[in-house]
Amino acid sequence: EVQLVESGGGLIQPGGSLRLSCAASGFSVSSHFMSWVRQAPGKGLEWVSVIYSGSTTFYADSVKGRFTISRDNSNNTLYLQMHSLRAEDTAVYYCARDKGSCSNGVCYLYGMDVWGRGTTVTVSS
Amino acid sequence: EIVMTQSPATLSVSPGERATLSCRASQSVSTNLAWYQQKPGQAPRLLIYGTFTRATGIPARFSGSGSGTEFTLTISSLQSEDFAVYYCQQYNNWPPITFGQGTRLEIK
Repeated sequence: EVQLVESGGGLIQPGGSLRLSCAASGFSVSSHFMSWVRQAPGKGLEWVSVIYSGSTTFYADSVKGRFTISRDNSNNTLYLQMHSLRAEDTAVYYCARDKGSCSNGVCYLYGMDVWGRGTTVTVSS
Repeated sequence: EIVMTQSPATLSVSPGERATLSCRASQSVSTNLAWYQQKPGQAPRLLIYGTFTRATGIPARFSGSGSGTEFTLTISSLQSEDFAVYYCQQYNNWPPITFGQGTRLEIK
């Protein structure tokens, strides 16, 4: 069964750090586009970061320089390292697989077809 | 950054009726648009990608249309399980990948 399971969320003080994990089963994270998407309480979806083609990464401006996405192919796990956390980072964090692919140096996305259930991050003193 | 705007914010429809949800992009996204359904306490679920193509297991009552900057998600005959929040997402010009703010579909 294709599945994603997030973990690592919790209550953290402003300025603190946290690492989220997303364990995949039924497919390999190394061969797919993998994203983190977050949802603040009562709000909509916000894309956070994507990793693909080994180590190509992009970030939303709101987290650039503070968050780092990575993956461990041996553990088939996606990570999100978060530093300098702020109250506005409070959200449910989802990992998601995209059906994207690259051809002749151009990469295409096709929609996020597998999602985890999310892990909650609360930044508060 | 491409801004996605969904309308209406809330749509009230009776079971069995048709629901039409709209999504507008601030610039052309061609047909690189997806729709997601999210129920309370659950993760989003991919419904439609490439504007028109239903994801695996999505019933035929869900259909997508549009191109460029104007898109529509139509649910032909609403079932009780369809009442949820719906998001559009563009992936034509990225990063960033951007979502609309959502349309809440509620029972009339």
